[in-house]
Amino acid sequence: DSGVTQTPKHLITATGQRVTLRCSPRSGDLSVYWYQQSLDQGLQFLIQYYNGEERAKGNILERFSAQQFPDLHSELNLSSLELGDSALYFCASSVGDFSIYNEQFFGPGTRLTVL
Amino acid sequence: EDKVVQSPLSLVVHEGDTVTLNCSYEVTNFRSLLWYKQEKKAPTFLFMLTSSGIEKKSGRLSSILDKKELFSILNITATQTGDSAIYLCASTYSGGGADGLTFGKGTHLIIQP
Repeated sequence: DSGVTQTPKHLITATGQRVTLRCSPRSGDLSVYWYQQSLDQGLQFLIQYYNGEERAKGNILERFSAQQFPDLHSELNLSSLELGDSALYFCASSVGDFSIYNEQFFGPGTRLTVL
Repeated sequence: EDKVVQSPLSLVVHEGDTVTLNCSYEVTNFRSLLWYKQEKKAPTFLFMLTSSGIEKKSGRLSSILDKKELFSILNITATQTGDSAIYLCASTYSGGGADGLTFGKGTHLIIQP
């Protein structure tokens, strides 16, 4: 158990819908990272927040958005869902900012299925 | 376009064998090379490499980076069935207004008893 929690564990929804994935980092970690893992694309970095501010951005679609709250938990919002958004979404956390790399601890993931 | 390529894609060996996994990268503003092990759940961190030629070691696992030839290898000696997993490498980059990391597709390692 990494200490990073993600909810829900599994989510099934229809195309066109919007969902919110939630992540609580390890106690003391200020950075939260979001990743998408699908069979064809592999593991892709989406976005990173450090102490409430967006710090690094990867291959995140415009339909997706994220934020980190004052209590450091983070939410990833996925809207206008398409079949291709079906994937495992991981959250990870680390002590420091991305620019000074720290070991990231991954949560168990949220499996999103879009029908 | 930044890319990280891992080889082989899949590898099946017998328990006790030694394996070498490869990772090559082409990344602008390279910062570090990371190795992760992913079993059924989330990836777990193995190594971070930033300097060429310095081997990092943890038990039966070791890794080294060659920044001139832009590759890294992960060695596992005396393999055990518990080593069966997908091994991921990723390159972090920082600079020019963009920070992030790019993962390879992984090497699926299967250790047969």
